[in-house]
Amino acid sequence: DIQMTQSPSFLSAFLGERVNITCRASLRITQSLNWYQHKRGTAPKLLIFAASTLQSGVSSRFSGSGSGADFTLTISSLQPEDSATYYCQQSNSPPFTFGPGTMLEIK
Amino acid sequence: QGHLVQAGAEVKKPGSSVRVSCKASADTLKNYGVSWVRETPGLGLEWLGRIIPFLGMTTYAPKFQGRVTLTADTPTRTINMDLSSLRSEDTATYYCARADCTGNRCYFLHWGQGTLVIVSS
Repeated sequence: DIQMTQSPSFLSAFLGERVNITCRASLRITQSLNWYQHKRGTAPKLLIFAASTLQSGVSSRFSGSGSGADFTLTISSLQPEDSATYYCQQSNSPPFTFGPGTMLEIK
Repeated sequence: QGHLVQAGAEVKKPGSSVRVSCKASADTLKNYGVSWVRETPGLGLEWLGRIIPFLGMTTYAPKFQGRVTLTADTPTRTINMDLSSLRSEDTATYYCARADCTGNRCYFLHWGQGTLVIVSS
């Protein structure tokens, strides 16, 4: 199985700030990496697929980069609605594992 | 067309089984795979398994192999997840999610609203 790790596990940042969340796969997965935003009580929301493609309708403040085993989600100019938990997920091969999540708090 | 509908909540005793259902469009059953993902406060999101109804194919995560069974009922357009030998750690919100693909890159764009399963004596 491909294991996914994320850092940091918790992030506290100010309104308007730019933050990076990193994700690492235990094997190379080319660009088969997706990012989701999850808020309590709602279904996860797809932000980025194929490592760097912004899902239609998602704010351009979100961007993804990386290939192989190391990936980054960048959120620029933080807004109050960005407070959520962010997960990476590999779609290279089943089981389609998720990272442990990064909880983002907006100060 | 990607809309997925789930029921609200279930309360089960330890050792029992639960069936969680997900109603989908005919197009989804004919052309897409559907996965089940759960969310627990301690472990975040976990992928349980996938069914591709039009291929009659299922794949399960090793952690849940032997305890989870995915089936599809085409006439009712329902995808079912059965989880057996329930324990307290199975208390979670269970989601169905459709796998959309662009080329060979797949992702979960459409999700059900989730079904809360509480395992308690």
